[in-house]
Amino acid sequence: AQSVTQLGSHVSVSEGALVLLRCNYSSSVPPYLFWYVQYPNQGLQLLLKYTTGATLVKGINGFEAEFKKSETSFHLTKPSAHMSDAAEYFCAVMRMEKEYGNKLVFGAGTILRVKS
Amino acid sequence: NAGVTQTPKFQVLKTGQSMTLQCAQDMNHEYMSWYRQDPGMGLRLIHYSVGAGITDQGEVPNGYNVSRSTTEDFPLRLLSAAPSQTSVYFCASTAGGAEAFFGQGTRLTVV
Repeated sequence: AQSVTQLGSHVSVSEGALVLLRCNYSSSVPPYLFWYVQYPNQGLQLLLKYTTGATLVKGINGFEAEFKKSETSFHLTKPSAHMSDAAEYFCAVMRMEKEYGNKLVFGAGTILRVKS
Repeated sequence: NAGVTQTPKFQVLKTGQSMTLQCAQDMNHEYMSWYRQDPGMGLRLIHYSVGAGITDQGEVPNGYNVSRSTTEDFPLRLLSAAPSQTSVYFCASTAGGAEAFFGQGTRLTVV
C-alpha cells in the first residue's frame, strides 16, 4: 500500500528565508509525485509534479522539488519565502495503473507560516 | 473553462438527513473521485470512478454512495448524515497526464 509522510504539520519561516517542506513516500512501484497548495477556503492547486525524466522539477511561484528514489523523498523548496506563500501544502503520490483509477494518496499536510 | 464545479459550497444537515453533493467536470476526463478533508489528516479518498458506469470504494467509503451515469457528473450521496461526516468535501477529475483538477469544495456540517 502506498503512503505519504509529511514531516512537520506546521513550519514557520521568516520572509526571505529558505522554505523546505519534507515529504517521504512508500510505494512498491515508481509513483508519480505531486505537491499541491491550498489557500484558505479554496480548493487544491497543483504546484508541481514528477512523472518521469529529470528528477528536479520546477513549479509555479518559484517552488521546486527533487525526486530522490534512494531516499524515497520528494521535498519541496523555495529559496526565498514571500508572505503570499502562507498556505497549506500537500504532498501526494499516484500509481499510474489503470485499475487503480489514478488515485491520489495524500500526506497529512504542512501549514506554512511566513513571518514578516 | 469551468473545470470542476461542486455544489453546494456550504450545507448544514441534521443527523439522519440525506443529501447529494454535486460534481460536474467539462474536461472529458475519465477519472473522477471524491475526497474528504479533515484537520491533520490530509485528504482521504471516499469513492472513485474510472469511467461512466464504473465506480469503486476508496479509503473511507462507509456512509456514502456514488454513481457515474455520464462522463461529466459524479454525485456523492450521504445516506443518513452523522456528525462524523462533518468535513470539507472535494471532487477531483484526472486526465491521462495524471494532473488532478479539484473543485472548490463543499463545507458540510452535520448537527
